Amino acid sequence: EDQVTQSPEALRLQEGESSSLNCSYTVSGLRGLFWYRQDPGKGPEFLFTLYSAGEEKEKERLKATLTKKESFLHITAPKPEDSATYLCAVPLPGANNLFFGTGTRLTVIP
Amino acid sequence: GAVVSQHPSRVICKSGTSVKIECRSLDFQATTMFWYRQFPKQSLMLMATSNEGSKATYEQGVEKDKFLINHASLTLSTLTVTSAHPEDSSFYICSANKWDFTEAFFGQGTRLTVV
Repeated sequence: EDQVTQSPEALRLQEGESSSLNCSYTVSGLRGLFWYRQDPGKGPEFLFTLYSAGEEKEKERLKATLTKKESFLHITAPKPEDSATYLCAVPLPGANNLFFGTGTRLTVIP
Repeated sequence: GAVVSQHPSRVICKSGTSVKIECRSLDFQATTMFWYRQFPKQSLMLMATSNEGSKATYEQGVEKDKFLINHASLTLSTLTVTSAHPEDSSFYICSANKWDFTEAFFGQGTRLTVV
């Protein structure tokens, strides 16, 4: 069964305390793994798409990596404005919509 | 700027009335758009796939007569919640993919409250 699982469900960090968020997937024929940031009451904001194991992408304090089974979103020296829910998603086989994980709620404390 | 624009961002309506939500792709043509629903502290769940010039495809358990979807042009899809009830109150979000699926963009979302 196709699955996307994110952990932890919630994460509290002190400002400057680096950490990683995990997205595990069991989807055959991966056509891309998408990372989004979602603020309360807003739609998801696109961050990255990763396609193959070993691929890495960076944007400011965020770096996303991909293996054959999971993806990590590394947050380096986070700031309070990085507080949000981070979602990963994959297109299921034969479909063009995205199937989302349950997200990680990140809170960065000043 | 926004690549996918959704309107309105918030709407309050009375039970039994209908509400229309618009979703526009601003930078590219989208033959397919998607409508999602999100409950508090939960992830996005696909409701339906909106296909330009043809009928929408609904996910299992989604009432097509209640959630009417029209994709009249390559840049506009609308979702109409008909005869709304309080249990329809939710956050509705649309999305559109670039043709090569390198990026998928989402609208700002619509908070629907039925009173």
